[in-house]
This record gives sequence, C-alpha cells and structure tokens, in this order.
Amino acid sequence: DGGITQSPKYLFRKEGQNVTLSCEQNLNHDAMYWYRQDPGQGLRLIYYSQIVNDFQKGDIAEGYSVSREKKESFPLTVTSAQKNPTAFYLCASSELAGVIGTDTQYFGPGTRLTVL
Amino acid sequence: SQQGEEDPQALSIQEGENATMNCSYKTSINNLQWYRQNSGRGLVHLILIRSNEREKHSGRLRVTLDTSKKSSSLLITASRAADTASYFCLSGSARQLTFGSGTQLTVLP
Repeated sequence: DGGITQSPKYLFRKEGQNVTLSCEQNLNHDAMYWYRQDPGQGLRLIYYSQIVNDFQKGDIAEGYSVSREKKESFPLTVTSAQKNPTAFYLCASSELAGVIGTDTQYFGPGTRLTVL
Repeated sequence: SQQGEEDPQALSIQEGENATMNCSYKTSINNLQWYRQNSGRGLVHLILIRSNEREKHSGRLRVTLDTSKKSSSLLITASRAADTASYFCLSGSARQLTFGSGTQLTVLP
C-alpha cells in the first residue's frame, strides 16, 4: 500500500519546546516538501529536498529545520524560534526532482500543531 | 515569493450547476496545477496544464490557461455535493512553488 504518511495527526506542545513532525513516503519519490497552512489560507513552502542529504529553504524557513538522511523520510522540526507555530503542516512528495515546481505532488494527511 | 490570488474566495451553488474559479499568478511558469482539499485533510491533485497548452479536460473538469494574462480558470460541470471542498492552484516554475489562497466551494444538495 503505497503512499505518504505523517504522524502524529494532532500535536500539542508548550511554548519554548522544539517538536519534530514525521513524514514518510514509500513511493520512491526523489523530492519531498513541507508546507504550512493557516486557517482559511493557502499553503506556504517551508523547505524542500530534491535528493538525500540536500535541502533548500522555501518562503518561510525561519524557525524550522529539516533533515533528509533517507530517501523515504523528511522530518520537520519546529523550533522555539518559530514565533507563531500553531498551524496545519502538510508534507508532500513528487517523483521527479529535476525541475522543482513542475511535477505532480502527493500529499500526506497533515499534522495539526497547537502550541499551548 | 508571494501567493497567487484566487477568486472568488467562496462560492456556493446548487447541485447540478457549474462552478468556475479563477487563479492569477505573478511569474512565468512551466505549468499550473489544480488541487482539491477536503476540510482538515491533505491536498489531492486534480489536473496539470503546461504553459504551452490553452485548455485541458479531465472528466467534469475543464482548465484554461492564459499566459499573457497570467491566469487560469477551473470549471467543474454538473456539480455534486461531494465536490464541496477548497480548490487551490499551484503555479510552478524552476525553484519556486506558489499556491493560491484557495476558493471554498460549497455545493448544496
């Protein structure tokens, strides 16, 4: 059963704590992405990775960090430096990494992060 | 980069009617994609139109692209209650991904 999974579905954290969101895909896709979505708004790109051990900042990378040690996994850490972290976080992957932004993306179900 | 614009922000129609939503973007693109999002869920890819195409069909979906105006439209014909969702456009160019702000479509039974 192929697909892209995110865990957990809901996450609560106290102010000042770092938290890591999981994203795994078994689609053998080269590229992976992290987006943030605020209520009633579109998606904003946080980070993306086209190949293992390499990643690039998106539009709103400040306060976030990522790693890509394995092709299947692209975890996102929301650090205490992120001033307004409460949001819905979506991970996606796409098959081709050659030209970012041109390939169909497959999305996970999302993680809703709430900072208390 | 800034997000693209979509209009209308919200659209409410009766089942069986057609729904049209529009997307404008700011930079030259390789292609433009439309996605659907049910409330609180991930996005699902609907259709992709390349920059050298003007119109594309997929089932009840019809997408047009006008690169001179930097705009695209998505038409859903014979709408159903199950089409109720948010619809987003994604304008893609090298090293840039920009989602529109979305249109919330409600189809009333």
